[in-house]
Amino acid sequence: SQTIHQWPATLVQPVGSPLSLECTVEGTSNPNLYWYRQAAGRGLQLLFYSVGIGQISSEVPQNLSASRPQDRQFILSSKKLLLSDSGFYLCAWSGITNEKLFFGSGTQLSVL
Amino acid sequence: TQLLEQSPQFLSIQEGENLTVYCNSSSVFSSLQWYRQEPGEGPVLLVTVVTGGEVKKLKRLTFQFGDARKDSSLHITAAQPGDTGLYLCAGRKFSGSARQLTFGSGTQLTVLP
Repeated sequence: SQTIHQWPATLVQPVGSPLSLECTVEGTSNPNLYWYRQAAGRGLQLLFYSVGIGQISSEVPQNLSASRPQDRQFILSSKKLLLSDSGFYLCAWSGITNEKLFFGSGTQLSVL
Repeated sequence: TQLLEQSPQFLSIQEGENLTVYCNSSSVFSSLQWYRQEPGEGPVLLVTVVTGGEVKKLKRLTFQFGDARKDSSLHITAAQPGDTGLYLCAGRKFSGSARQLTFGSGTQLTVLP
């Protein structure tokens, strides 16, 4: 069966510090991978989308970047965090021909 | 501009009561999904509806897609504390990947014992 792992679960970082959130998927090949951000108790905003290694689409301009160094690994990064980067970050995957999204357990990021 | 509006935003009810939450848009969707999210976790897909007027049941949960495929509702019968969570609808406008999914703002449901 397929599983998705996301870490860390919580993170407190000072303004101006770097960020690296990692997501890995197991049990499937060539998944579509996604990074979402969610404000407290609200809907999801798609940040990045990837259909393959090294292929990243950015959905909104921002202080963040994403990379996909391996087929089942997706990384969300920032060189210098802003206060506005605080939020709940969710990684998700879907199959190539399947519209269903499967989410990781999320990372609660607080930038102070 | 919020493409998908969910109402109510917050709902607190007693165990055993019935409730309905709504997902509305001026846009037509090829399909619509409902997710439930618990605190500190990612959303989990409950159902996908694809045909106008379609009704799907999942135990005590009944999902309906509007005839014009612009709106959807979720009805819960005899709510239980385990139903507590954030309910999100997500619409897909064109056939293809989940990239085209647009999420609503969510309904936070609390079922009190």
